[in-house]
Amino acid sequence: LAKTTQPISMDSYEGQEVNITCSHNNIATNDYITWYQQFPSQGPRFIIQGYKTKVTNEVASLFIPADRKSSTLSLPRVSLSDTAVYYCLVGTGIYNQGGKLIFGQGTELSVKP
Amino acid sequence: NAGVTQTPKFRILKIGQSMTLQCTQDMNHNYMYWYRQDPGMGLKLIYYSVGAGITDKGEVPNGYNVSRSTTEDFPLRLELAAPSQTSVYFCASSRGDREAGELFFGEGSRLTVL
Repeated sequence: LAKTTQPISMDSYEGQEVNITCSHNNIATNDYITWYQQFPSQGPRFIIQGYKTKVTNEVASLFIPADRKSSTLSLPRVSLSDTAVYYCLVGTGIYNQGGKLIFGQGTELSVKP
Repeated sequence: NAGVTQTPKFRILKIGQSMTLQCTQDMNHNYMYWYRQDPGMGLKLIYYSVGAGITDKGEVPNGYNVSRSTTEDFPLRLELAAPSQTSVYFCASSRGDREAGELFFGEGSRLTVL
């Protein structure tokens, strides 16, 4: 199973761009990288998923270098409502690991005014 | 669509009691998961299922049992509850295709064992 390592916590200010990096040195060929956001007392919510290079959606960008041993979640112009825990998840569906999806420790992002 | 529905939302158990946390999804997802989250900690995988009739252990399966008789339902059984099982339990589902797909989570079931 691909183990992930993220910073435990990060601080930022409103309006800044935040980059959270996840290390996954033993990522397998079929693994995808997915990021989730969790607010207190709620289940995690999907943010973005990618396999290689760059993926962008309406809320975030995901940068994955060629060796895929790390990935960076980029949140543009954060607001107070982006204060949450962010999880990097590496895994696949039916082609590897039988669907066993393990969460890492997560990064607690605190956005200040 | 209701998505993933968990019941009950809150429950207090005495040590040694048993109970079942219910989880049902209406998205026809093949994959279903049970995670637990202790206060201030990350999610730990308890059990998961890749389809009806198929279940497998996650990281922390001891003290729990699951079954998957239908695609929709994935109940989690706690036998002989212990204080260490005090936690918030999340059920999740996904399509389980090649990309792993998006995990859809329920609202959680907060369990306290006294």
